Amino acid sequence: NAGVTQTPKFQVLKTGQSMTLQCAQDMNHEYMSWYRQDPGMGLRLIHYSVGAGITDQGEVPNGYNVSRSTTEDFPLRLLSAAPSQTSVYFCASSYSSETGGAQYFGPGTRLLVL
Amino acid sequence: GEDVEQSLFLSVREGDSSVINCTYTDSSSTYLYWYKQEPGAGLQLLTYIFSNMDMKQDQRLTVLLNKKDKHLSLRIADTQTGDSAIYFCAELNRDDKIIFGKGTRLHILP
Repeated sequence: NAGVTQTPKFQVLKTGQSMTLQCAQDMNHEYMSWYRQDPGMGLRLIHYSVGAGITDQGEVPNGYNVSRSTTEDFPLRLLSAAPSQTSVYFCASSYSSETGGAQYFGPGTRLLVL
Repeated sequence: GEDVEQSLFLSVREGDSSVINCTYTDSSSTYLYWYKQEPGAGLQLLTYIFSNMDMKQDQRLTVLLNKKDKHLSLRIADTQTGDSAIYFCAELNRDDKIIFGKGTRLHILP
């Protein structure tokens, strides 16, 4: 299994540009989520999904959209990038939102918005 | 609001035990987790504990949970240089969301 994969690893955007951060998992996990990690702020939940066709907002959803058309994929879209969205983005998945088991994280996407 | 608090920095000599502490506010938390993040990498689940347990041991790792005081700790025995990382405490709250602390950076002294 490849686990949780994220592309791209690095990205530089100009203010106002849009882009999609890709996330895929091959573990047949129901639950997937997106976090951003900023210095001194820890991890903050952006959006999450408990299964295909179901998404919900996390702590900091503004400026981001998600969709979950398949179990495997959970892309994160930045509609109009802003410098405040400069961050490291992590995608994660787990078997169920109620599991005590592992939440697997991808390697992250480092985004710089100029 | 719900919060998970942990100290930001811990310095330990190689071979000593490291104890990383965490407090949380949601008494309805069902699971509590410890994650490790090495530089430039994603978070790796180290261990977790169910809220009806007091202790869990896994090789060099010992997790202690004091549910009354909402206090969680991670003890790493015989700390090695490879243990140098940021350690995140997290809880699964009543809304089935995982809330993370800001992370404790563990520095190993020779």
